[in-house]
Amino acid sequence: NAGVTQTPKFRVLKTGQSMTLLCAQDMNHEYMYWYRQDPGMGLRLIHYSVGEGTTAKGEVPDGYNVSRLKKQNFLLGLESAAPSQTSVYFCASNLNRESSTEAFFGQGTRLTVV
Amino acid sequence: AQTVTQSQPEMSVQEAETVTLSCTYDTSESDYYLFWYKQPPSRQMILVIRQEAYKQQNATENRFSVNFQKAAKSFSLKISDSQLGDAAMYFCAYRLPLYSGAGSYQLTFGKGTKLSVIP
Repeated sequence: NAGVTQTPKFRVLKTGQSMTLLCAQDMNHEYMYWYRQDPGMGLRLIHYSVGEGTTAKGEVPDGYNVSRLKKQNFLLGLESAAPSQTSVYFCASNLNRESSTEAFFGQGTRLTVV
Repeated sequence: AQTVTQSQPEMSVQEAETVTLSCTYDTSESDYYLFWYKQPPSRQMILVIRQEAYKQQNATENRFSVNFQKAAKSFSLKISDSQLGDAAMYFCAYRLPLYSGAGSYQLTFGKGTKLSVIP
């Protein structure tokens, strides 16, 4: 029972490089999210998706793009990484059902941009 | 927009003692959910306890309980008989119900409280 899996767990990028973070969930959840966690800031929403083929902006979307081509996967892309994107990134998912309110989180990806 | 405030960046407690972490929130909605998440050094986000706003009874999960004051928009977490494994970052979070039509089920987090447990 894998739950929510993020790949990779750690990455170091040079400024200007691009990369994609993968989030995969095996619980058939409709809703998926990408958050970033910075010291003293809590978790802030970057983008989210309410279903396959849909995406929407969250609180801090600039510099990121996302795609949800398959229901189980939610990709977060950085086209040209900047030091300000150094952070820990979390993916989360939950069911589109009022009776099930818990969000499930991945283990996080620590990204350093130098 | 909803906001969640945790006014205690750091706290400490003696092992076996009780500690209370504070959380206040701002919303114009009458129905919503509140959560406490624990994040140990492993980074994993672990749900500790949740509260539905329409329920007056405070939620309890073993050694963890909340004091939910809806009128005051306060949601504090009490940890009884503190253990070394309770040392972690604790985040308070808020979410609207799906039927609110908000369009998403996103969580709004506070900035967190780092809890240390002293042996």
